[in-house]
Amino acid sequence: QKEVEQNSGPLSVPEGAIASLNCTYSDRGSQSFFWYRQYSGKSPELIMSIYSNGDKEDGRFTAQLNKASQYVSLLIRDSQPSDSATYLCAVLGGYNKLIFGAGTRLAVHP
Amino acid sequence: DGGITQSPKYLFRKEGQNVTLSCEQNLNHDAMYWYRQDPGQGLRLIYYSQIVNDFQKGDIAEGYSVSREKKESFPLTVTSAQKNPTAFYLCASSATGTVLTGELFFGEGSRLTVL
Repeated sequence: QKEVEQNSGPLSVPEGAIASLNCTYSDRGSQSFFWYRQYSGKSPELIMSIYSNGDKEDGRFTAQLNKASQYVSLLIRDSQPSDSATYLCAVLGGYNKLIFGAGTRLAVHP
Repeated sequence: DGGITQSPKYLFRKEGQNVTLSCEQNLNHDAMYWYRQDPGQGLRLIYYSQIVNDFQKGDIAEGYSVSREKKESFPLTVTSAQKNPTAFYLCASSATGTVLTGELFFGEGSRLTVL
């Protein structure tokens, strides 16, 4: 079992819709979770972090965390073509190392 | 502007050759990291360094070597022992403590192709 798992996609949504990206992790002791966005051929950039169960909202982005079920999700409201990218879920593991999932490719079509 | 500079952006290597990828940062960050990215596999940690003159192996260190003689620089050498080196290599840095917030700053990457 991979430590951080994501559906590779592509996830295709129409412009204006809600995109829902999911991530599961194996280490029940993990406390810190992050979402990075990576445009094709570019480097990742941090867009959201979440540490407590529940929802955290930042603009059009909402991160959701459920530690009991060991999953993290990212919702993107009012999706725009500029949101088309690969979204990487990351979990802070031992020795303060970030463990990344394989990423989910999101395609927002007009 | 502050940031992380990786070079070269594209690199071609013949089998059996060693190559060195450069990573320089002017963010005054203590910690630096090297990741490898392959299609469908996300980012995998090769080596990391939290202070000058000290570094640790990550999950896939075999066939790679690093040095950290200066705070600003963390070069990665891909040796001939690395059996499948074709990949996208990303260097990152973080200030002390910010790794806890997940805040890694990435360079633009180096794409290595073995001919």
